[in-house]
Amino acid sequence: AQTVTQSQPEMSVQEAETVTLSCTYDTSESDYYLFWYKQPPSRQMILVIRQEAYKQQNATENRFSVNFQKAAKSFSLKISDSQLGDAAMYFCAYTIKAAGNKLTFGGGTRVLVKP
Amino acid sequence: EPEVTQTPSHQVTQMGQEVILRCVPISNHLYFYWYRQILGQKVEFLVSFYNNEISEKSEIFDDQFSVERPDGSNFTLKIRSTKLEDSAMYFCASSELGGPGANVLTFGAGSRLTVL
Repeated sequence: AQTVTQSQPEMSVQEAETVTLSCTYDTSESDYYLFWYKQPPSRQMILVIRQEAYKQQNATENRFSVNFQKAAKSFSLKISDSQLGDAAMYFCAYTIKAAGNKLTFGGGTRVLVKP
Repeated sequence: EPEVTQTPSHQVTQMGQEVILRCVPISNHLYFYWYRQILGQKVEFLVSFYNNEISEKSEIFDDQFSVERPDGSNFTLKIRSTKLEDSAMYFCASSELGGPGANVLTFGAGSRLTVL
């Protein structure tokens, strides 16, 4: 069974600084997708960034970037120039192509941003 | 920006009662999902629904659960006889197509169910 592990329950970052959230996953599949979702206190999960496993280039969305290490099965999220609005729970998620949008989630990392 | 809308935001019920959680997916989306998150645990997949039938369900989704799209807009999750362990946040989600590539999930804000 696929598993997704986020080893950091909580991370704190100073405004304008950088924070990196870790995520590891376990799979025997080769064609899969990885996601980072953000869940602000309003509770709605919002897609931050996604990565297709067959693409070697790391995905980037503005201040958010990933470090995808396929061999190590690692998918970390870097938030640069942290803003107060980045404070949220961040979930790493995985799915194989054949499973469509049946996602397997990690346990989440709470990000606190200090002004 | 289009949103997935869920009602109620919070429901308290007695054990053994039936509960219906409602969702209005994004209008041009064809695939619908329910996920749940028990407090302190991971978000878990429950069921996916396409073309008026269940396309996949997890082992959690047993006979006490059912889903329905009663009209062109609503997508409901029914729990027939609630148990204490059904207390959780239930998230509805939808996607335009079924594949995960460009067709990512849009989640609702969730319905918190408390079973007493």
